[in-house]
Amino acid sequence: NAGVTQTPKFQVLKTGQSMTLQCAQDMNHEYMSWYRQDPGMGLRLIHYSVGAGITDQGEVPNGYNVSRSTTEDFPLRLLSAAPSQTSVYFCASSYVASGSYEQYFGPGTRLTVT
Amino acid sequence: EDKVVQSPLSLVVHEGDTVTLNCSYEVTNFRSLLWYKQEKKAPTFLFMLTSSGIEKKSGRLSSILDKKELFSILNITATQTGDSAVYLCAVNRAEYGNKLVFGAGTILRVKS
Repeated sequence: NAGVTQTPKFQVLKTGQSMTLQCAQDMNHEYMSWYRQDPGMGLRLIHYSVGAGITDQGEVPNGYNVSRSTTEDFPLRLLSAAPSQTSVYFCASSYVASGSYEQYFGPGTRLTVT
Repeated sequence: EDKVVQSPLSLVVHEGDTVTLNCSYEVTNFRSLLWYKQEKKAPTFLFMLTSSGIEKKSGRLSSILDKKELFSILNITATQTGDSAVYLCAVNRAEYGNKLVFGAGTILRVKS
């Protein structure tokens, strides 16, 4: 049971490049989400999904796309990287069913855009 | 707009001290409040609080929620250097899904 895994751990991009951050979970969780963490700002929700085929925007969705074709995977795509997207990105998952709302976090991806 | 405010922003204490971290919130349709500890990597879950006045404890850590005054505190007694971390407070709303609204965090440094 690996929990939530993310790849890559580190990435450097040039402005305008695109890339996909990978996230996978093996706990059969319905809910998956992407956050970014910037100094002094806590974690901010980018996109989330309540199940395969269902995604929605969070607090800071601009410049990012997501899809959810399987329960296990929830990739985050940066369409045209900008320096403002330099951040640490965390993927998280949880059950949606009532009574259990703890979110399990992946190890994070540190992204630098130059 | 939902808001979660943590105080203090940072704190330095000596080993053995007791610390109290604060979290206040303004969230529509509140469902639960969660505390996480983050040590240079992924946040790890500490507590989830849903009812006022019921203390949750785990070793030297404890937490309580006041739904009338809209705040929670996290207490750490007999602090150790291993308690040095960022402590994050997050609030979950009663809506389909499990979106969390996070505070900015409190940076705790415990000196030996």
